[in-house]
Amino acid sequence: DGGITQSPKYLFRKEGQNVTLSCEQNLNHDAMYWYRQDPGQGLRLIYYSQIVNDFQKGDIAEGYSVSREKKESFPLTVTSAQKNPTAFYLCATTPGLAEYNEQFFGPGTRLTVL
Amino acid sequence: GQSLEQPSEVTAVEGAIVQINCTYQTSGFYGLSWYQQHDGGAPTFLSYNALDGLEETGRFSSFLSRSDSYGYLLLQELQMKDSASYFCAFHNDYKLSFGAGTTVTVRA
Repeated sequence: DGGITQSPKYLFRKEGQNVTLSCEQNLNHDAMYWYRQDPGQGLRLIYYSQIVNDFQKGDIAEGYSVSREKKESFPLTVTSAQKNPTAFYLCATTPGLAEYNEQFFGPGTRLTVL
Repeated sequence: GQSLEQPSEVTAVEGAIVQINCTYQTSGFYGLSWYQQHDGGAPTFLSYNALDGLEETGRFSSFLSRSDSYGYLLLQELQMKDSASYFCAFHNDYKLSFGAGTTVTVRA
């Protein structure tokens, strides 16, 4: 069963703590993306990766970090430097960076910082 | 700078036709996509226009005019399950930039 898995679905953390959101895919896609969505707003790009061991900042990378050690995995760390981390986080993939007509999204993780 | 404008809300009755307009401003442009997102869910791809004209996929159609920096999504024969948010997004430099979304509410 091919797809994108994000876990957990809901995550609660105390202010000042780093937290890592998981994104795993078995679609054999090269490119992976992280987006943030706030209530009533569109998606904003945090980071994206074209290949293993390579990634680029998106529009709102400050306070976030990523790694791409395996093709299947692209975890996102929300650091304590992110001023307002409470949001809905979505991971997406495309077959390749140049083949990004259709992005495939995971179910998302809703992060709440208390 | 870059920007996308789309209406925030649209309400219509079952069976009606709804058009969601999207205007964009960007220095580089490769195409315009549309995504549907039900409340609390993940966005799903609806359509992509790289060239001017109309693309039809079942009850949904999408149009692009590159010279006018304008596109629209047409939803026909509205059904209750079409109640969702719809996002336009332009393709630029291997990235997607999304609009704020249009919430479509379908009434019986």
